Amino acid sequence: AQSVSQHNHHVILSEAASLELGCNYSYGGTVNLFWYVQYPGQHLQLLLKYFSGDPLVKGIKGFEAEFIKSKFSFNLRKPSVQWSDTAEYFCAVEGGGGNKLTFGTGTQLKVEL
Amino acid sequence: DTAVSQTPKYLVTQMGNDKSIKCEQNLGHDTMYWYKQDSKKFLKIMFSYNNKELIINETVPNRFSPKSPDKAHLNLHINSLELGDSAVYFCASSPRGYSRGRDEQYFGPGTRLTVT
Repeated sequence: AQSVSQHNHHVILSEAASLELGCNYSYGGTVNLFWYVQYPGQHLQLLLKYFSGDPLVKGIKGFEAEFIKSKFSFNLRKPSVQWSDTAEYFCAVEGGGGNKLTFGTGTQLKVEL
Repeated sequence: DTAVSQTPKYLVTQMGNDKSIKCEQNLGHDTMYWYKQDSKKFLKIMFSYNNKELIINETVPNRFSPKSPDKAHLNLHINSLELGDSAVYFCASSPRGYSRGRDEQYFGPGTRLTVT
């Protein structure tokens, strides 16, 4: 069975600070990787996804993530956060087909002015 | 135009009651899902349907019964509600058949269920 760990549960940053949220997964086979964001009171939206190819993927709103297969990691980054990035961020893994997403426990990001 | 819609948005009910949550997607997707998000924001899949056929059925009490009248709708009926059922329930859909993987899932706005 696959599992996903997000080590940072709560992150507080000032505007313009750089962001890196960790995501590690456990699954022995080929994986598809996702980062979703949930803004306060809203539904989940896809930030970015990795299926194959270039391990550095770019998503919406200036976010990017790097897949490091040897570390089973898919960390999310943004060079300069904005107040509007305040949200809950979820890493998710799909492995073995079937479209069954396993989510991490989420990281709550608060960006202060 | 809402891609994945759920009704109701909020549902407050007493223990022991039976309730339903409805989900509709107008994206023409083949697969639909139900997720439960608990008070700690942990999201866990409950069910998925592909073209009205049950594909994923996680360890969920029998009191939860999904029904898919057509591939655009996936409803969730809950019998004998318990306090622990209080959560936000999200519906989602994805374009292709379940076996292909690599599908982005589109989520609905969620239904906040409170059992008192």
